[in-house]
Amino acid sequence: DAKTTQPTSMDCAEGRAANLPCNHSTISGNEYVYWYRQIHSQGPQYIIHGLKNNETNEMASLIITEDRKSSTLILPHATLRDTAVYYCIVRLTNAGKSTFGDGTTLTVKP
Amino acid sequence: DTGVSQDPRHKITKRGQNVTFRCDPISEHNRLYWYRQTLGQGPEFLTYFQNEAQLEKSRLLSDRFSAERPKGSFSTLEIQRTEQGDSAMYLCASSFTGGNTEAFFGQGTRLTVV
Repeated sequence: DAKTTQPTSMDCAEGRAANLPCNHSTISGNEYVYWYRQIHSQGPQYIIHGLKNNETNEMASLIITEDRKSSTLILPHATLRDTAVYYCIVRLTNAGKSTFGDGTTLTVKP
Repeated sequence: DTGVSQDPRHKITKRGQNVTFRCDPISEHNRLYWYRQTLGQGPEFLTYFQNEAQLEKSRLLSDRFSAERPKGSFSTLEIQRTEQGDSAMYLCASSFTGGNTEAFFGQGTRLTVV
């Protein structure tokens, strides 16, 4: 699996958009970008994934650069409940394991 | 089906004892994964099954660790002769193999070895 690099921590004001970056410069052509988050003392929760096109679901949007070397997860209107550790993972869609880094701790402040 | 279920949620054991954890995946999922997570770190892959076959094991899975999924449904993870370094959260996840392959995680079993 390609390695990812994320900032250790970020803050965001409640109601504002949270933009979480991820670098994956060694991504291969058939590897997808997956995002999970983990709220304290819970298991990781799937958010979204994509290959090359931007994706949106009810939780978030995923913007992948044209060269696919980086991506941004966007939470359009962050709430206090979005405070969590966010993990960016790169892998083949049908791969067995996921390689998690240490993620970005997002703190949403009132 | 309410998701991936893990039992117990918490386990405190004395060093040297054996422990066994159970994971019940989402019923139609044929893949099941085990991860370990220590404080402040992301989850680390241990092993995964496709149906009853164990397809990959991490080097983290020492010979004191064994995982089974005998009928391709629930799975157990056993740790023999526990050590203090085994203290961690043990996470189970399940997924399909085709189509949407995102993994769904359980709440984890927190092991404390004293």
